[in-house]
Amino acid sequence: QSVLTQPPSVSAAPGQKVTISCSGSSSNIGSNYVSWYQKFPGTAPKLLIFDSDKRPSGIPDRFSGSKSGTSATLAITGLQTGDEADYYCGTWDNSLSALFGGGTKLTVL
Amino acid sequence: QVRLVESGGGVVQPGKSLRLSCAASGFTFSSYTMHWVRQAPGMGLEWLAVISYVGNNQFFADSVKGRFSISRDNSQKTLFLQMNRMRAEDTAVYYCARERDSSGLGVFDVWGQGTMVTVSS
Repeated sequence: QSVLTQPPSVSAAPGQKVTISCSGSSSNIGSNYVSWYQKFPGTAPKLLIFDSDKRPSGIPDRFSGSKSGTSATLAITGLQTGDEADYYCGTWDNSLSALFGGGTKLTVL
Repeated sequence: QVRLVESGGGVVQPGKSLRLSCAASGFTFSSYTMHWVRQAPGMGLEWLAVISYVGNNQFFADSVKGRFSISRDNSQKTLFLQMNRMRAEDTAVYYCARERDSSGLGVFDVWGQGTMVTVSS
């Protein structure tokens, strides 16, 4: 059981919008930034969002992040079949450890 | 080109030890905090350990505390993970990751390709 809670799966049609939630507590998301990672099978994770709502260079603005209280959300608009992957939220916990959510599998129907 | 390359994975018996290495290139290794993360088969990402850029501060996940140690050789631009008293549940792909500069804690902007570790008799 991950400390950060994500839905196991989400799905939407190409061109549509999907959101992935990440719920934590006051000791992690509530007091630290959130990052989001995209992971394809057999490859390393890729940073999509950092500091809750910032994109690294090269990440399209179809990907956006937000945080409110002890929860965070990743939104992906204009879905493409190439977006099918696992998505993980991450943050720091005040117990001096990094945390990941359990991961969400995105299916583009 | 910024790059991290892990090595040292393989098959190890329960109770034995293994040391992983992560060779860095394309950036000033000694200026970055570094982490180890793993992914067991069919499971999600699990953070394991962090070491400060100088190497004087280290923190571990409860699941590996007391069994794993993290170290670095800045002169050789290499990160290490020493794994002792290994268990079947340590079977996973192990990644080293660079912590992004100028952002919140625990943001991983560069990852290695991973090295597979299998604990089995």
